[in-house]
Amino acid sequence: SAVISQKPSRDICQRGTSLTIQCQVDSQVTMMFWYRQQPGQSLTLIATANQGSEATYESGFVIDKFPISRPNLTFSTLTVSNMSPEDSSIYLCSVRADPNQPQHFGDGTRLSIL
Amino acid sequence: QQPVQSPQAVILREGEDAVINCSSSKALYSVHWYRQKHGEAPVFLMILLKGGEQKGHEKISASFNEKKQQSSLYLTASQLSYSGTYFCGTAPGGSARQLTFGSGTQLTVLP
Repeated sequence: SAVISQKPSRDICQRGTSLTIQCQVDSQVTMMFWYRQQPGQSLTLIATANQGSEATYESGFVIDKFPISRPNLTFSTLTVSNMSPEDSSIYLCSVRADPNQPQHFGDGTRLSIL
Repeated sequence: QQPVQSPQAVILREGEDAVINCSSSKALYSVHWYRQKHGEAPVFLMILLKGGEQKGHEKISASFNEKKQQSSLYLTASQLSYSGTYFCGTAPGGSARQLTFGSGTQLTVLP
């Protein structure tokens, strides 16, 4: 399975600032996704990162708040903008080679906003 | 729409069996099962594709009934290492590829 490296693994940020999370995969993958998981909760899809075009966002998530880049088939970034305490969560990168293959997760970024 | 998982929580003794169910209101193309331990990322267990396939991995197996839009995860002769939260992720048919996850089932295996 693909090896997924996510950085940073954790961070503590000030209210109103922005943080960019990186996701690097050791092989080319068709599909890359960004999820959020709040403590004790399920995984919520933020967006699908599309290579070479704008990401596809789920209901409740907007590009101005969560801009995503995907310059190639092995790398993506998620920025959490103008952070507030409600953004404190675990953010996970997830990849799948194709629809018939397993989907794997990075180790996640644990984000706390003060 | 989020698939429905049941039960929400289950407590077992080592060696006992458990079944976790996942149902969707939408037609499904695939179901993925994951186990997540506290403070860790979800770990992939198995994928079931449209076709009523059943899969097995050691003492963990799963079934997928596409007509009923349901999947079940079977844990037999449970071990302490099976403790964690189990999630099903479902992908609908058509062009949609993203997984939507159920609310999770917390499994605790006691010695």
